[in-house]
Amino acid sequence: SQKIEQNSEALNIQEGKTATLTCNYTNYSPAYLQWYRQDPGRGPVFLLLIRENEKEKRKERLKVTFDTTLKQSLFHITASQPADSATYLCALRSGSARQLTFGSGTQLTVLP
Amino acid sequence: GAGVSQSPSNKVTEKGKDVELRCDPISGHTALYWYRQSLGQGLEFLIYFQGNSAPDKSGLPSDRFSAERTGGSVSTLTIQRTQQEDSAVYLCASSLRQGEGGNTIYFGEGSWLTVV
Repeated sequence: SQKIEQNSEALNIQEGKTATLTCNYTNYSPAYLQWYRQDPGRGPVFLLLIRENEKEKRKERLKVTFDTTLKQSLFHITASQPADSATYLCALRSGSARQLTFGSGTQLTVLP
Repeated sequence: GAGVSQSPSNKVTEKGKDVELRCDPISGHTALYWYRQSLGQGLEFLIYFQGNSAPDKSGLPSDRFSAERTGGSVSTLTIQRTQQEDSAVYLCASSLRQGEGGNTIYFGEGSWLTVV
């Protein structure tokens, strides 16, 4: 069956460190993968998209990698700040599917 | 407005009643999605509209759930005979036509439904 798994439900790190979140998938062949941020009581907000032929994508302090052999995406936040605390969701669309399928998210807490 | 607008933002209803949730997508976005998110859970796909094509209803959990989209814009999600397990946040999202912009979708703030 198809699965999207995010490595842990919660991740605590110290301010200034790099946070690394993992998204693994099985039985998908995604054309691209996206990362979203969700704050409590709010809808998810798009952060980054990476296509299947791209290895890495960067945006300011954010970096996403995509390994279609390992079926894994890593999401990095460098020089993390308490304001980065949120739940981060990965999402992918595979082949002819018209909707995005989301992982259950990783709740990141950056400690001051 | 510039973003996806949903109403009501909060709804408390008695078990067995019907509810309607409204979504006003971003102007010019032809694709519209409904997702459901239960407390502490990921997003569950419900239904997808694209232009005048037949909607993809594959995620609707039961025949008590239905949705329509009038004039290719505003959408209404209807839940009939609500049950306590229907309590969740119902999120609407819209995007440009599939294939444009990598299908990035923009979410509203959700309608929080509580069935008592």
